Amino acid sequence: DTEVTQTPKHLVMGMTNKKSLKCEQHMGHRAMYWYKQKAKKPPELMFVYSYEKLSINESVPSRFSPECPNSSLLNLHLHALQPEDSALYLCASSQVYRGAKNIQYFGAGTRLSVL
Amino acid sequence: DAKTTQPPSMDCAEGRAANLPCNHSTISGNEYVYWYRQIHSQGPQYIIHGLKNNETNEMASLIITEDRKSSTLILPHATLRDTAVYYCIVRVVSSGNTGKLIFGQGTTLQVKP
Repeated sequence: DTEVTQTPKHLVMGMTNKKSLKCEQHMGHRAMYWYKQKAKKPPELMFVYSYEKLSINESVPSRFSPECPNSSLLNLHLHALQPEDSALYLCASSQVYRGAKNIQYFGAGTRLSVL
Repeated sequence: DAKTTQPPSMDCAEGRAANLPCNHSTISGNEYVYWYRQIHSQGPQYIIHGLKNNETNEMASLIITEDRKSSTLILPHATLRDTAVYYCIVRVVSSGNTGKLIFGQGTTLQVKP
């Protein structure tokens, strides 16, 4: 099973709302990632967690708050977003490994619209 | 971080081989070349990766030039389901122990009947 499950599939929120995106995997991977993808653009890395600890933050604004409560779950908490934050948010997971085969498996994404 | 350059779009006839080029002239010695594809409205899907040698798996072949400045992904018998955006990615292994994927703009491959 190479499935990464993201919920919800679609989300519409106002600029004053607080919402959360959820990502789950059961492949035993100890690295998990959040990417942001604007329309017709490539995915851009936001955060990386390794062994449930934040290891990379790509200078993401504080209105995005990641959380990794356990090795299978990754959340992205959203607060006071702007319309330009509307995008497809992708979650990925991989083994933590210093070698070549560090394949990232992606979920289908959450399509977020900020009104 | 190394960057990649790909043609924005390509067409291929169904059943023929699709050859997708990628330029990564600034690649460093410890950086791997990965290929992913993204079918419309789905997350990216891993295809293949390599460091110096040519690689083949059940999905595709990867040809890397000797100087490692460019590579070609080959889909031997393209089908309509191979229509997607193909990303050539250079992965930095030394960035901690997780690896950072740097996506380029990708090539939109259209397989035509």
